[in-house]
Amino acid sequence: DVKVTQSSRYLVKRTGEKVFLECVQDMDHENMFWYRQDPGLGLRLIYFSYDVKMKEKGDIPEGYSVSREKKERFSLILESASTNQTSMYLCASSLVPKNEKLFFGSGTQLSVL
Amino acid sequence: GENVEQHPSTLSVQEGDSAVIKCTYSDSASNYFPWYKQELGKRPQLIIDIRSNVGEKKDQRIAVTLNKTAKHFSLHITETQPEDSAVYFCAASTYSSASKIIFGSGTRLSIRP
Repeated sequence: DVKVTQSSRYLVKRTGEKVFLECVQDMDHENMFWYRQDPGLGLRLIYFSYDVKMKEKGDIPEGYSVSREKKERFSLILESASTNQTSMYLCASSLVPKNEKLFFGSGTQLSVL
Repeated sequence: GENVEQHPSTLSVQEGDSAVIKCTYSDSASNYFPWYKQELGKRPQLIIDIRSNVGEKKDQRIAVTLNKTAKHFSLHITETQPEDSAVYFCAASTYSSASKIIFGSGTRLSIRP
């Protein structure tokens, strides 16, 4: 079974802090994604990466950056956390081109106070 | 960029009845349309998908239809059961090595006993 592991299930941070959300997958998947999930808004794509050191902006990249130094790890960085970044963050990976099925992590509920 | 709209946002059906969720997409280049189910407190999981060279696909009680001309696709669940209660997300993407998967806003399906 594919495992996508997010380092924290719950995280509480203060406004202005730099926040790192870590995601690791164990199946040598090429694609990795970061989504945020908010009620009524579905899953919105923040950034994705199709290879080491490669990244592409999603629909809502403002206020976020990412890092993919190794194939198995994809980090989401909030440079200066704000209250409107309080949300559930979901990491996912997929093996392309064989299959586009997304495997999601269990999510990180981030609260910015 | 791609935009996916999903309706309805909530749906309540009697156990045993059918449920239909509809999505439209904007990018005519999209050619892959997955559906994900997210049970309460759990991660989204792929339940069925369809590619643009197919008009319909069925898997037991679940079916998906695609109308490329109208740019809409639908999920049909027949003989609904309590375990079908969940949030369902449609998505669209252009199959490539750097695929970007865009989700709809979700439908909360409740099955009444």
